[in-house]
Amino acid sequence: GAVVSQHPSWVICKSGTSVKIECRSLDFQATTMFWYRQFPKQSLMLMATSNEGSKATYEQGVEKDKFLINHASLTLSTLTVTSAHPEDSSFYICSDGRDLYNEQFFGPGTRLTVL
Amino acid sequence: AQTVTQSQPEMSVQEAETVTLSCTYDTSESNYYLFWYKQPPSRQMILVIRQEAYKQQNATENRFSVNFQKAAKSFSLKISDSQLGDTAMYFCAFMVGTYKYIFGTGTRLKVLA
Repeated sequence: GAVVSQHPSWVICKSGTSVKIECRSLDFQATTMFWYRQFPKQSLMLMATSNEGSKATYEQGVEKDKFLINHASLTLSTLTVTSAHPEDSSFYICSDGRDLYNEQFFGPGTRLTVL
Repeated sequence: AQTVTQSQPEMSVQEAETVTLSCTYDTSESNYYLFWYKQPPSRQMILVIRQEAYKQQNATENRFSVNFQKAAKSFSLKISDSQLGDTAMYFCAFMVGTYKYIFGTGTRLKVLA
């Protein structure tokens, strides 16, 4: 069964509003989680590494003030897209860092549509 | 820069036939990990197979096997006895050092009945 969950699975919002996406590690205390973005028919691009109890590490070109990441507990990381715009519409996927050398466990993803 | 290239955007194969998906990568590291992930229409990423760069033996997992050519930086995936459930997007990826996964652009595979 699923070991990483995401909520919501899809969300539609108006331009200018903020949207929060949750990523939960269901059976593992994850000190590290990852957030990816996937545009239609494109690959997964790592946005940031979420670190429990400390600041997230963002990849080059990702605006940290726009994509706020909070990893307040060992089982929950949240991604908040602030002042969303249509170009932020994408599929957002998280994963936990329990066993990166063998497998990365992904959540089912969240489709964000900004009108 | 570390990159992963999948040169086949789309492929199709008849059910029960064999298909090979290609992947090349570029890194200056000597030790790294390579993966093939499958993304079916549900969008859930699923691990297909993995290979450690320091191992010369090609990994196999049931109907899935890889041809790992370290010198050529090539990591192709062979699917034998293709099944309709294999229809998906396949991503090649590698991980080195900093726990960062780098994904290729993907190959859309369609298995035909």
